Amino acid sequence: AQKVTQAQTEISVVEKEDVTLDCVYETRDTTYYLFWYKQPPSGELVFLIRRNSFDEQNEISGRYSWNFQKSTSSFNFTITASQVVDSAVYFCALSEVLTGANNLFFGTGTRLTVIP
Amino acid sequence: EAGVAQSPRYKIIEKRQSVAFWCNPISGHATLYWYQQILGQGPKLLIQFQNNGVVDDSQLPKDRFSAERLKGVDSTLKIQPAKLEDSAVYLCASSLDFLAAQENGYTFGSGTRLTVV
Repeated sequence: AQKVTQAQTEISVVEKEDVTLDCVYETRDTTYYLFWYKQPPSGELVFLIRRNSFDEQNEISGRYSWNFQKSTSSFNFTITASQVVDSAVYFCALSEVLTGANNLFFGTGTRLTVIP
Repeated sequence: EAGVAQSPRYKIIEKRQSVAFWCNPISGHATLYWYQQILGQGPKLLIQFQNNGVVDDSQLPKDRFSAERLKGVDSTLKIQPAKLEDSAVYLCASSLDFLAAQENGYTFGSGTRLTVV
C-alpha cells in the first residue's frame, strides 16, 4: 500500500535561514510520481514540483531545491534563504501510475513558519 | 486563465442536516477531483471524474456522500445527513487529463470549509 510520511509537523526558522522539509514514501509500484504542494493561509494547494520515479536528478528552482533518492525512498525539499512569504503548510504527495486513476496520496504536511 | 472556483467558502450546519458544495473547474479540464482535508491532515481523495463519468469513488462514504458532474463541466458534492466528523475543508481540483495531472499536478480551488455542530 502507498504511504507518504512527513515526520516534521511544524518547523520555525528565522528569515534568511535555510530549511529542509523531509518526505519519505512507500509504494510497490515501480512507476510513480512525487509532488510537493504549498498551502498558504488562503487554503488553495499550489503545485511546486513533480518528479517521476525514473528521474533521480536533483532540481533547483530559484531558492527551492529538491533531493530525490530512491535508495532511501525520500524526496526532500530545501528552501534557501527563507522569506516570510514562505510561511505555509507544505505537502508531499505520491501518485502511482499503474493504478490508473492517478489520485494523489498526501502526507500530513509540515507547517513552516518563517520569523522576520 | 481563471482558476478552479468553489462555493461557498464557508458553511456551518447542524449534524443531520444536508449541505452541498459547488465546483467549477478550469475551462477545458476533463478531469475533476474532490478531496476532503480534515484539520491537521493531508487531503484525501473522495471521488474522481473524467468528463461526466466516475473514475474512482472507492473512498466516498456513499451512504451519506454523493457527487455528480452531469454535463462534464461543473460538479456538486452533497452530504446528507452530515455528521460531526465531516467537519473539514472540501477541495476541488481539475486537470486537463490524466497525463497532464501526472506531468503538472492538479490545479486546486480554495476549498469550502465545513463545520458541523
